[in-house]
Amino acid sequence: NAGVTQTPKFQVLKTGQSMTLQCAQDMNHNSMYWYRQDPGMGLRLIYYSASEGTTDKGEVPNGYNVSRLNKREFSLRLESAAPSQTSVYFCASRTSFGTDTQYFGPGTRLTVL
Amino acid sequence: GIQVEQSPPDLILQEGANSTLRCNFSDSVNNLQWFHQNPWGQLINLFYIPSGTKQNGRLSATTVATERYSLLYISSSQTTDSGVYFCAPYMRFGAGTRLTVKP
Repeated sequence: NAGVTQTPKFQVLKTGQSMTLQCAQDMNHNSMYWYRQDPGMGLRLIYYSASEGTTDKGEVPNGYNVSRLNKREFSLRLESAAPSQTSVYFCASRTSFGTDTQYFGPGTRLTVL
Repeated sequence: GIQVEQSPPDLILQEGANSTLRCNFSDSVNNLQWFHQNPWGQLINLFYIPSGTKQNGRLSATTVATERYSLLYISSSQTTDSGVYFCAPYMRFGAGTRLTVKP
C-alpha cells in the first residue's frame, strides 16, 4: 500500500496562475482532508470530504476549491494564486469522519511569486 | 472554533532525559491525535487518544477529556525524537512543541 500520495512535490507559480494539487489514497478511507502549513505554524484545515460526494469548508477555505473525484481521490484547486498561498499543503485521510487515526501524505511545497 | 494551546513551545533535552508535553483545548472533544513532524517535514501518527492512556515503546499519552487536556510523555529521549510535536483535537492543530534532543 502506498498510503496517501500527493502530486506534485514542489511547484512554483506566478501570481494569478491556476493549478490543481492531486491527492489519492489506497486505504479505502471514506474521509479526506486538505491542510496548509505556514512556516513555524501548525496545520490549518482548508476543506474536507466526510464521504464520497460531499465536501465542506474548513478553517481557511477562501481562494480554494476542491473536488472529491471518487472515493480514492480528492483534489485542491487554486483558481488565481496569490503570494499569501505560499505554503506546504498536506492531504490526509481516515476511515470515517471524526473517528480513528488520520494519515497524512508527504506534502506539496507551493511557492507563489 | 476550538482553541488549542501547546506547551512548552520549545524544549531542549540531553539524550536520555524524559519530558512531558502538554496540550490544552477549549471544548470537549471525542477525537484527538498526537503527531510528530520530523525535520524533513513528514507527519507521523503517534497516538489516536480521545480519552485514557496509551503507550507505545518510549512514548505514552494521556487524555483527560473532561478537563480538556492531553499529555505526551517521552522517556529516554533520543536524537531521532527531534522535531515538532502537534496535538490535534478534532482536526484543529496546535502550534506545536519544537523538541531538540542533543547527543
